Amino acid sequence: AQSVTQLDSHVSVSEGTPVLLRCNYSSSYSPSLFWYVQHPNKGLQLLLKYTSAATLVKGINGFEAEFKKSETSFHLTKPSAHMSDAAEYFCVVSDRGTYKYIFGTGTRLKVLA
Amino acid sequence: EPEVTQTPSHQVTQMGQEVILRCVPISNHLYFYWYRQILGQKVEFLVSFYNNEISEKSEIFDDQFSVERPDGSNFTLKIRSTKLEDSAMYFCASSDIERGQETQYFGPGTRLLVL
Repeated sequence: AQSVTQLDSHVSVSEGTPVLLRCNYSSSYSPSLFWYVQHPNKGLQLLLKYTSAATLVKGINGFEAEFKKSETSFHLTKPSAHMSDAAEYFCVVSDRGTYKYIFGTGTRLKVLA
Repeated sequence: EPEVTQTPSHQVTQMGQEVILRCVPISNHLYFYWYRQILGQKVEFLVSFYNNEISEKSEIFDDQFSVERPDGSNFTLKIRSTKLEDSAMYFCASSDIERGQETQYFGPGTRLLVL
């Protein structure tokens, strides 16, 4: 069975400093992985996706993620945090057979002024 | 840019009542999904729907739940007799898998409160 584990439930960074949100996956085959962001009282917005092309994936708003098969990781990074990045971030794996999404538990990012 | 829409944005109902949550997927998408997120918990898969039938459902999706595509645009989730524990945010999503696009696009959600 496929799964994703988000290693941190909460992350706090200062504005202008780098962001690292960690995600590890478990899959018996090459997975499709996604990061979504959820701002307060809003829906889920796609940040970026990995679907077996380039291992370094660039997304919206300056975010990127690197797929590392040897470490079964898909960590989300951003060089410089902005106040507007404060939100909940979900790492997601897509089930190969059914295409349903399996969500991680989420990481709440707080950005300090 | 096309987007998934959901109505209503909020719904308050009494326990035991029926509710219907509505979704309009992106127009050329043929795969549809419902997920829910209980407050403070992770997003959980409920059901997927393709070609006018359920493709897969989770163990949460019991006989109290049903989905329907009553016309060419709407996709609905019905809860026949709501329970307190059905209180959650319900998200609809659609995808364009025929064109190799696994990415799901989510609506803004319906927040359901069962009293």
